[in-house]
Amino acid sequence: DQQVKQNSPSLSVQEGRISILNCDYTNSMFDYFLWYKKYPAEGPTFLISISSIKDKNEDGRFTVFLNKSAKHLSLHIVPSQPGDSAVYFCAARTFGNEKLTFGTGTRLTIIP
Amino acid sequence: ETGVTQSPTHLIKTRGQQVTLRCSSQSGHNTVSWYQQALGQGPQFIFQYYREEENGRGNFPPRFSGLQFPNYSSELNVNALELDDSALYLCASSLYDLGNYGYTFGSGTRLTVV
Repeated sequence: DQQVKQNSPSLSVQEGRISILNCDYTNSMFDYFLWYKKYPAEGPTFLISISSIKDKNEDGRFTVFLNKSAKHLSLHIVPSQPGDSAVYFCAARTFGNEKLTFGTGTRLTIIP
Repeated sequence: ETGVTQSPTHLIKTRGQQVTLRCSSQSGHNTVSWYQQALGQGPQFIFQYYREEENGRGNFPPRFSGLQFPNYSSELNVNALELDDSALYLCASSLYDLGNYGYTFGSGTRLTVV
C-alpha cells in the first residue's frame, strides 16, 4: 500500500525555468510533510517541510504547497539551477510517530 | 558538528549469512532510525531506537534487529540474509522531541546479497 506517491519518475527542466515536483498521499492522518534531495552515493538531505495547518511554506528558491482536500503537495524550485539535478523524495509523518513514509522519488535533471 | 556516519559503505554477503551495519549519530541527537532503500524505491522504515530501546517498527520480519548504545550509536543486524535484502541501508538520527522533525541521514551502506 503506497501511501505516498510520486507519479513522475523523472523530470527535465531548462536552467532558469521553474521546476514543479508533485506528490500525492492517501493517509489523511499525515500532518507533516517533508521534501528531501538525494545525490548519488549520498544520503537524503532535508530541503523544506510543511505542517498540515499551513498551505504554503517558502525558503529561498524553494516553495512547498499543500492542498489537503486533494491530498496533494508540490515543490516549486525557481529559478532552477544545474546543482538542483538530483532525486527528490516526498515524505510524510503522523503526529507523535517518528516514522517517515517516503514516495518513490522523482529524478530532476536541469538542462543548461 | 559531525554528521551521521555509517560503516561499511559497501558489503557483499552470501544468502543465509548474517550482517551487522553500524551508525554513529549526529552530535546532539539521541534517536536513530534505520531505513531500507531498494533499487528504484523510496526508503522504507525498518525501526527506530530511542533510549536504547526499539521505539517503533515497520513491516520487517524479526530477523531484522537492532541495538542502540549509550553514546546513541546504533547497529542493524540482519540474520539469514535473502537475495531481496540487497539494498541501500540508511541510518538517520534526530533529537527526540515532538516539535523537532529534523532528521539527518548518513550516506548509507550498500548491501549486496549473492
